[in-house]
This record gives sequence, C-alpha cells and structure tokens, in this order.
Amino acid sequence: DAGITQSPRHKVTETGTPVTLRCHQTENHRYMYWYRQDPGHGLRLIHYSYGVKDTDKGEVSDGYSVSRSKTEDFLLTLESATSSQTSVYFCAISEMGDSNQPQHFGDGTRLSIL
Amino acid sequence: GNSVTQMEGPVTLSEEAFLTINCTYTATGYPSLFWYVQYPGEGLQLLLKATKADDKGSNKGFEATYRKETTSFHLEKGSVQVSDSAVYFCALGNNAGNMLTFGGGTRLMVKP
Repeated sequence: DAGITQSPRHKVTETGTPVTLRCHQTENHRYMYWYRQDPGHGLRLIHYSYGVKDTDKGEVSDGYSVSRSKTEDFLLTLESATSSQTSVYFCAISEMGDSNQPQHFGDGTRLSIL
Repeated sequence: GNSVTQMEGPVTLSEEAFLTINCTYTATGYPSLFWYVQYPGEGLQLLLKATKADDKGSNKGFEATYRKETTSFHLEKGSVQVSDSAVYFCALGNNAGNMLTFGGGTRLMVKP
C-alpha cells in the first residue's frame, strides 16, 4: 500500500470553527490531491498540488484552502466550517500528473460539522 | 466538461453470478479510463485501467473494455464472490493528466 496517512481520521466540530486536515505521504510523489466524497456524487476534487507551494483549484474549491510547504505534507483548511462541508475527505497522491498514472488514496477523514 | 455516469445501486447478486456495472462518459479528446474499488472503511484502490480505445483492462477476474464508439467502460466479472462486496467507481482522467472525474459509485452486495 502507498504510504499515505490522513489525520485526524474522525472529527466532530461546530459551525464557524476552523478545521485543518493533514495528509502525509512517504512516497515522495509530486502530485497530491484533496477530494470530498458525498452520497450520489462520487468523489469531487477540491484542490490539488503539483509541487511545493504549487497548488490549484478543483471542482469544489469554495470554502477551502490548501498549503504545501513540504513535499510530504498537504494541508486542507476550512477557515469557517459550515454544515454543508460535512463529508468524508480523501487525500490522494500520484507520481506524475499523467492521466496514465493511477492515483493512490488514503483511508479518509470523516468530518461532521454540527 | 467531463462527466461520468454509472448505474445506480445497490446491485445485489448471489455468489458465482455474472456481474456487469455500466459506465458511460462524456469527455473531450481521448481520456484514460479507470475503475476504482472501495471496501468499507477504506480509501479507493485502483482496480483496472485502459488508456486508449479498444484497450481491455483486467485485474482479479474483473474486465472492462474502452469503447470509444459508445463512450462506455462497463465493468464485468464472470463469477463474483462475497469478498467482491464493495463500492465501485468509474473515473476518467483529463487530457492534462492532473484531474480525475468520478462517477457516483455503485454498491455491490454479494450474498453467499
């Protein structure tokens, strides 16, 4: 299995609070991704990174920010959480930004915002 | 933009039955196509892929053929097992190679 660790695995918080999710990889892969998984929608891309300090928006980026200060860590921040951001969040990595290369996924973070 | 449509589940089968999960896509150019599987409490794992028209991806008894003329990538298995119970996602990669677009997922339940 690809070395991807997401933390925390579960979190419950209140509306309006800031939340940061962490993705840590030991594969030295260049690309890292944050997705959210919601029933009926599959996975939707929030943000991705193609190198240290290089990030770009995905399909559902509103209300989220990301940072990547080291190759191995990719942080997802909800500045002021809302109930619509209750979801399961997955981090993924890939060696290259090549559509032939598969993405490898972490085990997810279940986030509940009350 | 790109989109993927999968048959809605759950799909419930008896062990050793034949499985088909339909997947169709809309995309510009010639995307790569993937099937991922998600077991309970886990992240997604790549099951198989195909990178060009008429390619057949296969793994663990599962197969899917990239059909450009019908824009489809249906997943099949000749004889399912209880251990195949999971959620299956069809996905396509964009031409730039930096994004995957997923279908909504299909839950498969296999009964002994």
